[in-house]
Amino acid sequence: QQQVKQSPQSLIVQKGGISIINCAYENTAFDYFPWYQQFPGKGPALLIAIRPDVSEKKEGRFTISFNKSAKQFSLHIMDSQPGDSATYFCAATRDTGGFKTIFGAGTRLFVKA
Amino acid sequence: NAGVTQTPKFQVLKTGQSMTLQCAQDMNHNSMYWYRQDPGMGLRLIYYSASEGTTDKGEVPNGYNVSRLNKREFSLRLESAAPSQTSVYFCASRGGRTNTEAFFGQGTRLTVV
Repeated sequence: QQQVKQSPQSLIVQKGGISIINCAYENTAFDYFPWYQQFPGKGPALLIAIRPDVSEKKEGRFTISFNKSAKQFSLHIMDSQPGDSATYFCAATRDTGGFKTIFGAGTRLFVKA
Repeated sequence: NAGVTQTPKFQVLKTGQSMTLQCAQDMNHNSMYWYRQDPGMGLRLIYYSASEGTTDKGEVPNGYNVSRLNKREFSLRLESAAPSQTSVYFCASRGGRTNTEAFFGQGTRLTVV
């Protein structure tokens, strides 16, 4: 069964701290792992994504770490800011046209000023 | 650049009523998706369309039907609305430069009373 498990459900971090969100997947056919960011009243938007041929990808303050053998990946937000307060979804899919994207349950992040 | 447009943004239905949620994208994407978002459940796939003329069931298809009218439009129909279908519905299309990024609409907040 295609499933993506995400934790924690909610997270409170002090400004300047590191936010860490974890995900695990089951289907080894997945080959593209995006993270989406969603602000209240808006649709999710792509934040950063990784393919399993690399173990880490960094874009600014956002880093994905990927462990293919453990079928786990995580999002690290360095120097967290109040503007990062949002809901974050990990996802898994295949880099093949038309394949469905399966999302985790989401993590509500609140960064305290 | 409109992206993915959903209508309506808000809707209240009585139990047993029917309605159609509309979705259109102007990015020439082949794949389109309907998700529902409920607290603590993340985004769950209802139906998707890999290309014009094809539709497939997702994780939670019961109580819904879809129509891929043409390449641009993908509608979701509730034939007999139930309170359990109270949710926020998101349409998405897929096909960025690498055919992997999903673009979401702003969502439709549906309440069934």
